[in-house]
Amino acid sequence: DAGITQSPRHKVTETGTPVTLRCHQTENHRYMYWYRQDPGHGLRLIHYSYGVKDTDKGEVSDGYSVSRSKTEDFLLTLESATSSQTSVYFCATRGGEPYNEQFFGPGTRLTVL
Amino acid sequence: GNSVTQMEGPVTLSEEAFLTINCTYTATGYPSLFWYVQYPGEGLQLLLKATKADDKGSNKGFEATYRKETTSFHLEKGSVQVSDSAVYFCALSEANTDKLIFGTGTRLQVFP
Repeated sequence: DAGITQSPRHKVTETGTPVTLRCHQTENHRYMYWYRQDPGHGLRLIHYSYGVKDTDKGEVSDGYSVSRSKTEDFLLTLESATSSQTSVYFCATRGGEPYNEQFFGPGTRLTVL
Repeated sequence: GNSVTQMEGPVTLSEEAFLTINCTYTATGYPSLFWYVQYPGEGLQLLLKATKADDKGSNKGFEATYRKETTSFHLEKGSVQVSDSAVYFCALSEANTDKLIFGTGTRLQVFP
């Protein structure tokens, strides 16, 4: 358990509204990741961060932005939520080399109506 | 590009049966390989890993061997329990990157 919390754990929102999900870690891990999990797709990387203010896109980044102003917090923002963004969102962290396994938070279930 | 292919589920077994979940990968270089498990309503947990060819990862009675010649990392357990019911994900860590590539997951259902 890498001390990862996600908030909120559940959220229902309407199309067109902005949504921000928060990931908080207590392990001082350098790397942080946002994934979405959908049936038939497994986990797909949205964005990731390799340090404070250092972020990069994953394979499904359209419609999402991220920010990391502190080591412990990584925010995922849906600027204008759409129904296709209904999903379960997982945050993960990773320490530096040589440890390349990732540790996952409990997830946030987001429903966009 | 790099990818991971897992057998489709669900895999349905009786308690104490032998389990195999197949995983093959495509990758350049020498990736590390992982199995993660997701219990209902929870996030993913690392089950085991292997970082080089012929390594065997093991944990909680589960095993997987990194086979470079067949590009495989099949998950096995000799005697499953009801508590093993979960979704299992195979993943690889791309060499010289910070990212994991996941398979689509295989649901295991074990009945008493």
